[in-house]
Amino acid sequence: DTAVSQTPKYLVTQMGNDKSIKCEQNLGHDTMYWYKQDSKKFLKIMFSYNNKELIINETVPNRFSPKSPDKAHLNLHINSLELGDSAVYFCASSSGDREKLLFGSGTQLSVL
Amino acid sequence: GDSVTQMEGPVTLSEEAFLTINCTYTATGYPSLFWYVQYPGEGLQLLLKATKADDKGSNKGFEATYRKETTSFHLEKGSVQVSDSAVYFCALAGAGSYQLTFGKGTKLSVIP
Repeated sequence: DTAVSQTPKYLVTQMGNDKSIKCEQNLGHDTMYWYKQDSKKFLKIMFSYNNKELIINETVPNRFSPKSPDKAHLNLHINSLELGDSAVYFCASSSGDREKLLFGSGTQLSVL
Repeated sequence: GDSVTQMEGPVTLSEEAFLTINCTYTATGYPSLFWYVQYPGEGLQLLLKATKADDKGSNKGFEATYRKETTSFHLEKGSVQVSDSAVYFCALAGAGSYQLTFGKGTKLSVIP
């Protein structure tokens, strides 16, 4: 199946820990994104990578760092997790055509 | 900068009722406009789109018309079903941009 897949689906962890969320797409897309959705369903872009280069870096804490080993993967590393980081994180990808943005199913992060 | 404003939810309707979810936007130039739907526990899916003024996007019985004079892209459906229960996001991509700006989402609940 062609898709954007992210793991894990659920992540529960303690404050101060470091965690990673993985994302992979097999669509041959050039651009991948990370979005954060808060408890009120507000969706905000965090990062975008095009051919392994960061092209958008919205104002997010530097505890968040995207890592792209190749253009099919964009992982999100989070250091020193805080309560306010609890949210659903969505990976997405596109071919550069903004009309074909495809989302993963999300990772629900709960920081205790 | 670009922004999207959509009506506050939640919206609760009886099955077969008429649905309208209002969306207005602020952008320079001629953006493309989108409606995305998020079913419970899933990622966002593109529902419909319109790329220029007076275009009407339609899918699964939903429609939205790109109104440049009122900077609006209201979502409508003549007869909703229980299966339409989801969160609906209005979004825009500015001219020449591949980044989507989302509204805050409107939760729709359809009861039998």
